[in-house]
Amino acid sequence: GAVVSQHPSRVICKSGTSVKIECRSLDFQATTMFWYRQFPKQSLMLMATSNEGSKATYEQGVEKDKFLINHASLTLSTLTVTSAHPEDSSFYICSARQGQGAQETQYFGPGTRLLVL
Amino acid sequence: DQQVKQNSPSLSVQEGRISILNCDYTNSMFDYFLWYKKYPAEGPTFLISISSIKDKNEDGRFTVFLNKSAKHLSLHIVPSQPGDSAVYFCAAGGDNTDKLIFGTGTRLQVFP
Repeated sequence: GAVVSQHPSRVICKSGTSVKIECRSLDFQATTMFWYRQFPKQSLMLMATSNEGSKATYEQGVEKDKFLINHASLTLSTLTVTSAHPEDSSFYICSARQGQGAQETQYFGPGTRLLVL
Repeated sequence: DQQVKQNSPSLSVQEGRISILNCDYTNSMFDYFLWYKKYPAEGPTFLISISSIKDKNEDGRFTVFLNKSAKHLSLHIVPSQPGDSAVYFCAAGGDNTDKLIFGTGTRLQVFP
């Protein structure tokens, strides 16, 4: 299957700093990528839809100024957690969409564990 | 409003037997469905999908069944193996949405 990478895999930062997470589709071009957050023992929560060349679409309750998304190319989307706080500590997962409609599959990155001290 | 539901949070199955994971949905506009497998601290891995024009899709040990009239799909794993122990998510999509809607997941444990 297709490969999606995330970097870094783990990050520890101090409260108030900003953290950037990269999501790359390695063997296909993705006009649409998604950012999810997973709390312990809970389902995936969609945060936003990242569209190449346009603004991201955020889900209700997700602060767009807090979680900055940039989809600069067909293979790269970045999520920046600005002024991080301990409650932002979580497991962040990106996915890249390949195909459309009934042929669509989302391929997920390995996730990034963020710990804010 | 949970459009995709996995009502069993966990399932325990003996190795070699069949695992059946269930998923229900409410939106009749969904026209394709996917199953993902997720290990702790990893991203989900795509397993198998099915289009609404089919009622069954098989790939090795994995078979997905779709009952459109009941708005129900299931994933069968046979024979189950200890390495299948993970959380399984079903997801649904349609032409009227650009995102997948995920269920809450079912934790499968396959014991020897």
